[in-house]
Amino acid sequence: AQTVTQSQPEMSVQEAETVTLSCTYDTSENNYYLFWYKQPPSRQMILVIRQEAYKQQNATENRFSVNFQKAAKSFSLKISDSQLGDTAMYFCAFMKAPNSGGSNYKLTFGKGTLLTVNP
Amino acid sequence: GAVVSQHPSWVICKSGTSVKIECRSLDFQATTMFWYRQFPKQSLMLMATSNEGSKATYEQGVEKDKFLINHASLTLSTLTVTSAHPEDSSFYICSARDFTEAFFGQGTRLTVV
Repeated sequence: AQTVTQSQPEMSVQEAETVTLSCTYDTSENNYYLFWYKQPPSRQMILVIRQEAYKQQNATENRFSVNFQKAAKSFSLKISDSQLGDTAMYFCAFMKAPNSGGSNYKLTFGKGTLLTVNP
Repeated sequence: GAVVSQHPSWVICKSGTSVKIECRSLDFQATTMFWYRQFPKQSLMLMATSNEGSKATYEQGVEKDKFLINHASLTLSTLTVTSAHPEDSSFYICSARDFTEAFFGQGTRLTVV
């Protein structure tokens, strides 16, 4: 079974500053995907960024980037130039890759980090 | 990205009645859909995995007779909360998976009075 750990229940950052959210995971799988989801007050889950485990290059989406350390099973999210609209709950999630054998292709979530961006 | 539509967004029902929540994948066929429950300021708790044309797989501790899941087509899954009680009040979210990603509905806030 997979586990995802987010050790920071809450964080805050000043507008325009940079913040890093931590995530570690545990799995015996070799092929998998990692995700960061954002849940704003509307509670709609929004995909922020995705990383395929077989890719060594860290994923980047505009102001969002990850530091993926496969051997250490670490997957942190860096938000640059933080904006007020980034205020949300952020969830790290793990999903086994399709065709990797067995079953159970569900998403496993961490407990989340509540990020507040202050003006 | 793909769109998953969940209805209703909110519902209030009387204790003892049943309520149905629909989850539709609008622009892709989802062989697998997931139903989650979320309490305030907590993570998503997986309730069940719904596979088209077969019985849902429930997570440990989830009452399958209370939370009926039907996945009759590749684009529609429903969750029916039967004989609802105030403790069933919560935020319910559905998700549909394509090959490499999961897409989420808007969620349904259920209040049982």
